Amino acid sequence: EDKVVQSPLSLVVHEGDTVTLNCSYEVTNFRSLLWYKQEKKAPTFLFMLTSSGIEKKSGRLSSILDKKELFSILNITATQTGDSAIYLCALPNSGNTPLVFGKGTRLSVIA
Amino acid sequence: GAGVSQSPSNKVTEKGKDVELRCDPISGHTALYWYRQRLGQGLEFLIYFQGNSAPDKSGLPSDRFSAERTGESVSTLTIQRTQQEDSAVYLCASSLGIITDTQYFGPGTRLTVL
Repeated sequence: EDKVVQSPLSLVVHEGDTVTLNCSYEVTNFRSLLWYKQEKKAPTFLFMLTSSGIEKKSGRLSSILDKKELFSILNITATQTGDSAIYLCALPNSGNTPLVFGKGTRLSVIA
Repeated sequence: GAGVSQSPSNKVTEKGKDVELRCDPISGHTALYWYRQRLGQGLEFLIYFQGNSAPDKSGLPSDRFSAERTGESVSTLTIQRTQQEDSAVYLCASSLGIITDTQYFGPGTRLTVL
């Protein structure tokens, strides 16, 4: 069965800190890995990763994939209180569900 | 362009009543998905549509749940004889194609069953 495990489950940091969120996976047929940010209700798309070693960057957020070791990391530098959210990792599933999600990392950034 | 929209944004109902949740996907997206998120829990996949067809309905929690999609556009998720355990946020997402395409989520409908 395909599996996505995120760590840590929760994290509290101060504004300005840098954080690294982890996502490890086991899927039968890897196609891509997706990162989402969830505030309040709906997840918003951050990155899609398909190739190992190529960093995707958007402002203070960046992500990279390691297909050999089967994990991805999401980095946030100079964190702000607005970064407080649940960060979800997801992969297309070889089973009967289109995406399998990890449980997420709840990030709290305090002033 | 416009994103995925859902209505209503909030719904409070009494146990035993039927509810209907609506999702309008991004125009041109052929795939549409429904998820449920109970308070403090992860996303739970319910059903997806490729065009107007749902290839697999086994993710629906019970036979009280049904979903349909028409015109490769709007989808409705119906919950009959609601129970308190149905209280959750129901999220809809759409993607251009299936499986490898990024899903874009709507704002969700928060359902509270009293």
